[in-house]
Amino acid sequence: GAVVSQHPSRVICKSGTSVKIECRSLDFQATTMFWYRQFPKQSLMLMATSNEGSKATYEQGVEKDKFLINHASLTLSTLTVTSAHPEDSSFYICSASGGAGGSYEQYFGPGTRLTVT
Amino acid sequence: SQQGEEDPQALSIQEGENATMNCSYKTSINNLQWYRQNSGRGLVHLILIRSNEREKHSGRLRVTLDTSKKSSSLLITASRAADTASYFCATANQAGTALIFGKGTTLSVSS
Repeated sequence: GAVVSQHPSRVICKSGTSVKIECRSLDFQATTMFWYRQFPKQSLMLMATSNEGSKATYEQGVEKDKFLINHASLTLSTLTVTSAHPEDSSFYICSASGGAGGSYEQYFGPGTRLTVT
Repeated sequence: SQQGEEDPQALSIQEGENATMNCSYKTSINNLQWYRQNSGRGLVHLILIRSNEREKHSGRLRVTLDTSKKSSSLLITASRAADTASYFCATANQAGTALIFGKGTTLSVSS
């Protein structure tokens, strides 16, 4: 099956610094990638949808200047949390969709645990 | 915003028992999916049921869909300790691109 990886799996950073999380589709070309955030004991909340070569579409309430998303190639999307604060501590999960990009063809990465101290 | 609401929020059962989780959603759908998430891990796709299907089976999993009630259920038969996880239903957003997840049911199976 299709494999999506994320790097790093865990990261701890100091308040005010920026952190970059990578999401890669390893064996297929992902025309669309999605970023989700999950707080402890809660569900996944969609943050943004990114299509290769174009600007990401952010969900309401998600600051695009704080969560920078780049989808420069068909196998890589990055999420940069800028000027991170403790409240940004969360589990970030990406998913990738290939081909027609229908929502039922999404493959999820293993997630990145971000802790901001 | 979240589309689905699962109940119960938490479920504790013994090995060998069946576990039933329910999901309700708000808008019309093309399909509904169920996922499993082990603690601190990514999501595992379990099953997809299309809007024109009423029931679907996969191993010990049985999913039903009632579009008139906008609800779905996931039944895990003969549960095992390894089934301990959180289970989420998901439907497509209005654009039909991304998935919107329900709040999830945390299942705990004790041996």
